[in-house]
Amino acid sequence: GDSVTQMQGQVTLSEDDFLFINCTYSTTWYPTLFWYVQYPGEGPQLLLKVTTANNKGISRGFEATYDKGTTSFHLQKASVQESDSAVYYCVLGDSGYNKLTFGKGTVLLVSP
Amino acid sequence: DMKVTQMPRYLIKRMGENVLLECGQDMSHETMYWYRQDPGLGLQLIYISYDVDSNSEGDIPKGYRVSRKKREHFSLILDSAKTNQTSVYFCASRQGAHAEQFFGPGTRLTVL
Repeated sequence: GDSVTQMQGQVTLSEDDFLFINCTYSTTWYPTLFWYVQYPGEGPQLLLKVTTANNKGISRGFEATYDKGTTSFHLQKASVQESDSAVYYCVLGDSGYNKLTFGKGTVLLVSP
Repeated sequence: DMKVTQMPRYLIKRMGENVLLECGQDMSHETMYWYRQDPGLGLQLIYISYDVDSNSEGDIPKGYRVSRKKREHFSLILDSAKTNQTSVYFCASRQGAHAEQFFGPGTRLTVL
């Protein structure tokens, strides 16, 4: 079945540092990939999605692309802020985005 | 403002007791979901409801059942709760194919 692997359990940065987190995915379909963000005490919320390999998704200063050849999907931000501290989930969507497969999440801690 | 609500937010039960978790949405969304979130595991899909009385098992339905008698309400029921059902439970809803899933704030359930 579909699966998503996030290897980075936690990333610790200082404000204005560059962020790069990635994941790998496995599916038999043409995937749509998402990054969801979860702040403490809240449910996950959609950060951005990428529907086509090598295209770029952009939202709130974050960018993401996925590479079909290496089945990898990454999220980056040029300059993180303390308010970006949260858990980031790499998510694989089936056709129609009905069934979402979540990775284990990456905890981002940004110190001022 | 689109909103998914969950009640209660915190619940402590003893093993063998019955548990009812409630979810509501004010967006007339057709499709609703129940997930559970455990440390280091991301979110796992328990059940999907496509509309009133139209429910489908997700990836981990064992030990759970659901009820949807009105479009805006979706309940998760644990008959005779077990300690391994201690988790944070999230409800989500969306309208139509390729639409974003909106998540509620979660219910933290502890089964002693």
